[in-house]
Amino acid sequence: GEDVEQSLFLSVREGDSSVINCTYTDSSSTYLYWYKQEPGAGLQLLTYIFSNMDMKQDQRLTVLLNKKDKHLSLRIADTQTGDSAIYFCADINTDKLIFGTGTRLQVFP
Amino acid sequence: NAGVTQTPKFQVLKTGQSMTLQCAQDMNHEYMSWYRQDPGMGLRLIHYSVGAGITDQGEVPNGYNVSRSTTEDFPLRLLSAAPSQTSVYFCASSNSIGGLGGRKGADTQYFGPGTRLTVL
Repeated sequence: GEDVEQSLFLSVREGDSSVINCTYTDSSSTYLYWYKQEPGAGLQLLTYIFSNMDMKQDQRLTVLLNKKDKHLSLRIADTQTGDSAIYFCADINTDKLIFGTGTRLQVFP
Repeated sequence: NAGVTQTPKFQVLKTGQSMTLQCAQDMNHEYMSWYRQDPGMGLRLIHYSVGAGITDQGEVPNGYNVSRSTTEDFPLRLLSAAPSQTSVYFCASSNSIGGLGGRKGADTQYFGPGTRLTVL
């Protein structure tokens, strides 16, 4: 079945850029998503990218998609302590979202 | 709008007990789903529904039942709780999933605050 993988942890200094990576296996993906989960809360959609795009920028967020390598990344510029959370990438498989394991981003001063 | 609400927030069960986790949304969304979140495993889809009267199994459906008699409600039933069902459960709703509904971009999937379930 479809598989979405992420590294589990990332630690960055406040003000630096963070890059969270994700790989997926479904070559027929139409949309890929990034969700953010703050402690004790549900998931919130951060951004998404359509499969015919290579890059999407939204304020401090940049999403890069390499369809050939099935690799998705989320770059957060000028990372702040409020960005500390778990970040999930997700892929659509028919009518179901398949989530990665989540990457816990820790921002230290 | 209250969005997606879940009750209870916390629950402790003994092995073999049954219970129902409630989920309701007031956004008139067709698509609703239940996930469980376990450490190091991300979110796994349990059951989902694409409209009232229609449900289908996700990745980990065993031990859980669902029904969708109204658009608003999508309860999740644990028939005989087991310690392996200790987890955080999230309900979510959306107008569609991605381009399937013919809508622009990705319809946001709204998540409830979660129910933390412990089975002893």
